[in-house]
Amino acid sequence: GAVVSQHPSWVICKSGTSVKIECRSLDFQATTMFWYRQFPKQSLMLMATSNEGSKATYEQGVEKDKFLINHASLTLSTLTVTSAHPEDSSFYICSAQTASSYNEQFFGPGTRLTVL
Amino acid sequence: QKEVEQNSGPLSVPEGAIASLNCTYSDRGSQSFFWYRQYSGKSPELIMSIYSNGDKEDGRFTAQLNKASQYVSLLIRDSQPSDSATYLCAVNLSGYSTLTFGKGTMLLVSP
Repeated sequence: GAVVSQHPSWVICKSGTSVKIECRSLDFQATTMFWYRQFPKQSLMLMATSNEGSKATYEQGVEKDKFLINHASLTLSTLTVTSAHPEDSSFYICSAQTASSYNEQFFGPGTRLTVL
Repeated sequence: QKEVEQNSGPLSVPEGAIASLNCTYSDRGSQSFFWYRQYSGKSPELIMSIYSNGDKEDGRFTAQLNKASQYVSLLIRDSQPSDSATYLCAVNLSGYSTLTFGKGTMLLVSP
């Protein structure tokens, strides 16, 4: 149980284009999903917290107009990187939280974005 | 500021030995504690969770929690080369949904 999928697993795009990444909880309902970014050999960095049906909460320093998050259902959240630039190249990972009181998070496999 | 501290390592142990990974946290209100394993180039995988003082065992893994000392550890018995990875300690503060992660400890198990 507690399986989270992400699509695509990797994407290469040209500078200035937008990229959408999907995160799905496959066997449970996730009231809260999270989006992280990780640069090589660095720690996970939380970008935003997404609750179903409401606006995402962004961490300090993360541009909400550049990283658009939509959480339309209890099993799907999307992250759109708008007008991507080479410095946005990174490993983007989502996680989904169960409805239990212990706040376990289960991670998707990640999406590796390369912007040329 | 909520902090989770881990020794970055690498921690090197021979195959078959016990690996001991440690984590301290600053917020006494923390309620849930997690250990994640992250292989290079992959996303984190939840391997242990612990919520009350004492030990919790799952196969070769034992998590230990001491809230008075604000300390949580992970023991890996009979370490295997496949256990070589970065181990992330994560802590959840009561009333918040987010996890605070340590920077991780790299474990290297040599054959």
